[in-house]
Amino acid sequence: DAGVTQSPTHLIKTRGQQVTLRCSPKSGHDTVSWYQQALGQGPQFIFQYYEEEERQRGNFPDRFSGHQFPNYSSELNVNALLLGDSALYLCASSLNTEAFFGQGTRLTVV
Amino acid sequence: EDQVTQSPEALRLQEGESSSLNCSYTVSGLRGLFWYRQDPGKGPEFLFTLYSAGEEKEKERLKATLTKKESFLHITAPKPEDSATYLCAVQRGGSNYKLTFGKGTLLTVNP
Repeated sequence: DAGVTQSPTHLIKTRGQQVTLRCSPKSGHDTVSWYQQALGQGPQFIFQYYEEEERQRGNFPDRFSGHQFPNYSSELNVNALLLGDSALYLCASSLNTEAFFGQGTRLTVV
Repeated sequence: EDQVTQSPEALRLQEGESSSLNCSYTVSGLRGLFWYRQDPGKGPEFLFTLYSAGEEKEKERLKATLTKKESFLHITAPKPEDSATYLCAVQRGGSNYKLTFGKGTLLTVNP
């Protein structure tokens, strides 16, 4: 079992650009959530996808959007990047209550 | 709004010196409380889920307990490889699916 996989592992973008992060859930999991973790902070919930629909959203602007595909994999898109978007972006997959995280994508905005 | 406060922020132990980490929470209708371990630059690794007050779970040198207001992660005879940040998260019931995390406790175990 490969677990939750995310790509890329690291990314450097320029302010104002757009970025797409990808996530493949753990085998058998149908729900994907995205979190943003700033240095020294706990992860903050961005949104969750289930059955290809956004089921719940956290307090993030519309610049953050996502998608879930029929095979349950997911993308996180961030438009008009700001310096403050620099963080570790985490994908978590779940089937019931317990969420399992990937290794994250470290995004640096310069 | 759901709140999670972890203490202490950082803890240094000598190898073999047992201690406890605290997670205080405020949530309306707890569905579950979760403990994760996170190594630097990595994603959180799932440790335990606790669902109701009085519940306890163990894994190797770790034991998690839950009351109506807080959870403790007890570390017995820690080893240097237990050094990591330990995160606590809560999930409210109903049509809510997000995890609300604390800031974590950075544990360092010296040999």
